[in-house]
Amino acid sequence: QVQLQESGPGLVKPSQTLSLTCTVSGGSIGSGSYYWSWIRQPAGKGLEWIGRIYTGGSTNYNPSLKSRVTISVDTSKNQFSLKLSSVTAADTAVYYCARAPASSYFHYYFDHWGLGTLVAVSS
Amino acid sequence: SSELTQDPAVSVALGQTVRVTCQGDSLRTYYASWYQQKPGQAPVLVIYGKNNRPSGIPDRFSGSTSGNTASLTITGTQAEDEADYYCHSRDSSGDHLVFGGGTKLTVL
Repeated sequence: QVQLQESGPGLVKPSQTLSLTCTVSGGSIGSGSYYWSWIRQPAGKGLEWIGRIYTGGSTNYNPSLKSRVTISVDTSKNQFSLKLSSVTAADTAVYYCARAPASSYFHYYFDHWGLGTLVAVSS
Repeated sequence: SSELTQDPAVSVALGQTVRVTCQGDSLRTYYASWYQQKPGQAPVLVIYGKNNRPSGIPDRFSGSTSGNTASLTITGTQAEDEADYYCHSRDSSGDHLVFGGGTKLTVL
């Protein structure tokens, strides 16, 4: 059973870079055809897709965050990572990592999620 | 603003049937997936594709699409179904992913 676990600092100062890692267990991040995404949720609000990386390394980002986001993968550690630069209080949220099978272009879905990690942006 | 629109809140009597809807132009091309989220927990996939349920999801959950509207139907709603429900799909360009704003389901 694949499991995902987010990790990283719970507090980031404004204007700095938020860095999170998602560790995948129960399967190899480099095998199969999957997309690995980051999704966030401010307290009391809805889900927002941040971006994704394909097993092969290509990336897609939410246009509203694209200028500040970098997602990368480290297959040797079975991890993928998120960097979000120039953070403000509006970036305070629970951050989730999730997996999506690349089985069909027309039905995209996240079949496994991490438990989420709360990141607060505050001085 | 989201390209997928959901009613903010819906209520249903225990044991009755409820439909949660999601509207968006991209749904004319791409299927929606649906996620259940209970307080303090990560979202859980309940419906994907035309009408597929992951292992462990009760068969009282079903999905359908008509035109630009995707629907999640819960037949014989149980108290434990009280949760927030989010739809998700590709955006109109097909290159990016979007979530609906979520629907809070209350079971009376």
